This record gives sequence, C-alpha cells and structure tokens, in this order.
Amino acid sequence: ETGVTQTPRHLVMGMTNKKSLKCEQHLGHNAMYWYKQSAKKPLELMFVYNFKEQTENNSVPSRFSPECPNSSHLFLHLHTLQPEDSALYLCASSQDGAGHQPENYEQYFGPGTRLTVT
Amino acid sequence: KNQVEQSPQSLIILEGKNCTLQCNYTVSPFSNLRWYKQDTGRGPVSLTIMTFSENTKSNGRYTATLDADTKQSSLHITASQLSDSASYICVVSSYNDMRFGAGTRLTVKP
Repeated sequence: ETGVTQTPRHLVMGMTNKKSLKCEQHLGHNAMYWYKQSAKKPLELMFVYNFKEQTENNSVPSRFSPECPNSSHLFLHLHTLQPEDSALYLCASSQDGAGHQPENYEQYFGPGTRLTVT
Repeated sequence: KNQVEQSPQSLIILEGKNCTLQCNYTVSPFSNLRWYKQDTGRGPVSLTIMTFSENTKSNGRYTATLDADTKQSSLHITASQLSDSASYICVVSSYNDMRFGAGTRLTVKP
C-alpha cells in the first residue's frame, strides 16, 4: 500500500449522472493531484493542489470539478460526462518544496478509480 | 509529438531473461527523470529517480541509466520474474512541469 486510497475502485455512470471520486492520503503530504489514464496514452495531469490551493488546471473541461477541503482529502466531482471520459482516474500526493513546485517531488499514487461512462 | 518517447511499446520475454527499456526525451530544462512500475489495476509505484548529475541508479534487479547529453534513459531488468509483468513509465520533470511517456508493457512468461 502506498498510503493513498481512492474510492470507489470502479464506477459506471450514465451521461446525465452526477458522481464524485474520493482520494485520501495518510502520508502528511501537502500536494495532491488528479490524473487521467486512457488506454495506451500517457498519463494526463488534470489538477494540482498545493496546500489546498489549486495551482494547476490543465485545460480540463468544466464537467470535471475538483475540491480539496484539506491537505489529506481530494475529490473529483463529475457531471454530464461523455463516453470518451471513460478511463482510469488516479490520485497522487507528494511533499511540497520551497519553491512550491511539488512536481519535483516523488509522487505516491492511489490504486485508481476505473470509470465507465455509458 | 510527446516530449517523452518510450520504446518498445510492448515486450514479451521468458522468465529469467534480462531486458532493457528505453526512454528518449526532449524536455528542457531538465530537473529529474523517474521510472515507475504500474501493475494492472494499480497505481504507478516509483522505482528510481535521477537528477542531472546521476547517470546510474539501482533498485534491486532494476538499474536505470541516464545520459543527459543525449537525453536518453534506459531501465534494465535483470533475471526477470513473473511479477515483473507490468507497464513501465518514464517521467521527465522540468522545474515546473512533468511529462509522461506512454509506457512499455512488459510480459514475462514462464
């Protein structure tokens, strides 16, 4: 176990549904991330939170809405998704650095949520 | 074109054999390079991390090399085991950015 948990592990939802993915880290880290992993494609960084502040949003459609209530929890709220949004959604955490560049620190990944949009 | 290219896309080897996976990158400026192992249905787990000044780093049967001049890295797996079957992902960081390779899918057969 990496110290990062994600729920649910599997989710099937219709295009009109609203659902949320949850991530929790027990490592005392200050930075958390959401990634999308589609088959045979590189991981796509979606959002970065550093000390609960969103520091990066890589042109993600508004149907994905992140929430970071504290440094240990991260949510991804989903609504009116499309079939092409079906993928593995990974959460990760890392330490922060003095320059607020958490990307330079080792990331610990959760097991992911396998999302299928029908 | 992705700034991190991995080859081969997939590889099948027999148990006990060695193999080498390649990662070429164009990311600049360079901060560090990591190799991750991702088992099916799990998140990636870090194997090695190398900075500019390091040209080799080992983690058990895994040895990563880095040539910052040619912008190439390799991951060598020695005496492969069935549990090495996984995807191996190369990640190159700049000072405010990370770029992921698409991964190499390794299958170790008995």
